[in-house]
Amino acid sequence: DVKVTQSSRYLVKRTGEKVFLECVQDMDHENMFWYRQDPGLGLRLIYFSYDVKMKEKGDIPEGYSVSREKKERFSLILESASTNQTSMYLCASIMNTEAFFGQGTRLTVV
Amino acid sequence: RKEVEQDPGPFNVPEGATVAFNCTYSNSASQSFFWYRQDCRKEPKLLMSVYSSGNEDGRFTAQLNRASQYISLLIRDSKLSDSATYLCVVTPNTGTASKLTFGTGTRLQVTL
Repeated sequence: DVKVTQSSRYLVKRTGEKVFLECVQDMDHENMFWYRQDPGLGLRLIYFSYDVKMKEKGDIPEGYSVSREKKERFSLILESASTNQTSMYLCASIMNTEAFFGQGTRLTVV
Repeated sequence: RKEVEQDPGPFNVPEGATVAFNCTYSNSASQSFFWYRQDCRKEPKLLMSVYSSGNEDGRFTAQLNRASQYISLLIRDSKLSDSATYLCVVTPNTGTASKLTFGTGTRLQVTL
């Protein structure tokens, strides 16, 4: 059974902190994506990766970076968290255009 | 103009009703189309793919109209368990076929 696991369901961080969101997939997929989901705005693509050590900017990359050192793990980094980054973050592993999502991380920046 | 547009709803329908959602997309070169379902506080999951010839899965029917650039989802005999947000998803023809673009979703509430 397909599995994408995000390290935390809920996080509360302070403004200015460096935040790491981790995502692991067990399907040996090459393509991994990070989205954020906000009411009225839907899912917006932050960054994606097609291979180890490879990354590409999505539609809203500002304030974020990513790391893909191993095929199964894709990390999203908030360099200096701000209140406008309070959101639901969803990691997805995509194979043949079907996306398998993690359970999401609800991040609150205070 | 948004790449993928949906009516946010909510659509409130009684059990047993038939309900239909539409979704429009702006890129005429889009390749693939899908409907995802997202339950409250859960992650999205693939409901069905959408083909030009239309496809049916039980009570659900999806259709694609390339000329008018919209896709539709029809749910017959609605159940309480169908209550969810339905996301329209499109892949653009940029060579990165796996890059999915999501609509904001249409919320469906089925009531007794």
